[in-house]
Amino acid sequence: NAGVMQNPRHLVRRRGQEARLRCSPMKGHSHVYWYRQLPEEGLKFMVYLQKENIIDESGMPKERFSAEFPKEGPSILRIQQVVRGDSAAYFCASSPPDGDWDTGELFFGEGSRLTVL
Amino acid sequence: DQQVKQNSPSLSVQEGRISILNCDYTNSMFDYFLWYKKYPAEGPTFLISISSIKDKNEDGRFTVFLNKSAKHLSLHIVPSQPGDSAVYFCAARVTGTASKLTFGTGTRLQVTL
Repeated sequence: NAGVMQNPRHLVRRRGQEARLRCSPMKGHSHVYWYRQLPEEGLKFMVYLQKENIIDESGMPKERFSAEFPKEGPSILRIQQVVRGDSAAYFCASSPPDGDWDTGELFFGEGSRLTVL
Repeated sequence: DQQVKQNSPSLSVQEGRISILNCDYTNSMFDYFLWYKKYPAEGPTFLISISSIKDKNEDGRFTVFLNKSAKHLSLHIVPSQPGDSAVYFCAARVTGTASKLTFGTGTRLQVTL
């Protein structure tokens, strides 16, 4: 499967626990984006990363949330001390390197659904 | 501040007829507009896009129209098919922001037999 891969698809955590969501971009893509969709809302941008660099984290909550995209391995969105309001679908998307693509199109994974009890 | 607005949460259309989904925006710096389709429990899939320098783009049954002066775009699906039943998101990109997209809240399209 050459698409964007996210895991886990479903994650249940109790309040105060940590959640880690993983994303492997499409083959050949070097840009990763994380979006969050709260119930009955649209997708909200969280963070944009390239390998080993956070390019834009303007949509990330200031506390408890962090993201990385290491040189090797998937991108990880980490939520510490989860609260009920973190329950949402978290979507990862990828795009080709700069210069290869200029339409803004993103390729999305199937999402990770986080439920906080 | 909702920069991309889809004011119709839902739309029901008969099979074979035209579906028109609307989207309004406020940011004049948007240079690309995209439509995504989303089925339940799946990720959004790209449908069609349009550059801000154009006013129409067509791909098979799907056509997107852009009216820059009105800051309005619409997606036309003709003829509508039952498999088109999904949530449709309008999205926009500011010039120079790579693929950081701003999404609307979506319109749920139901195509009935």
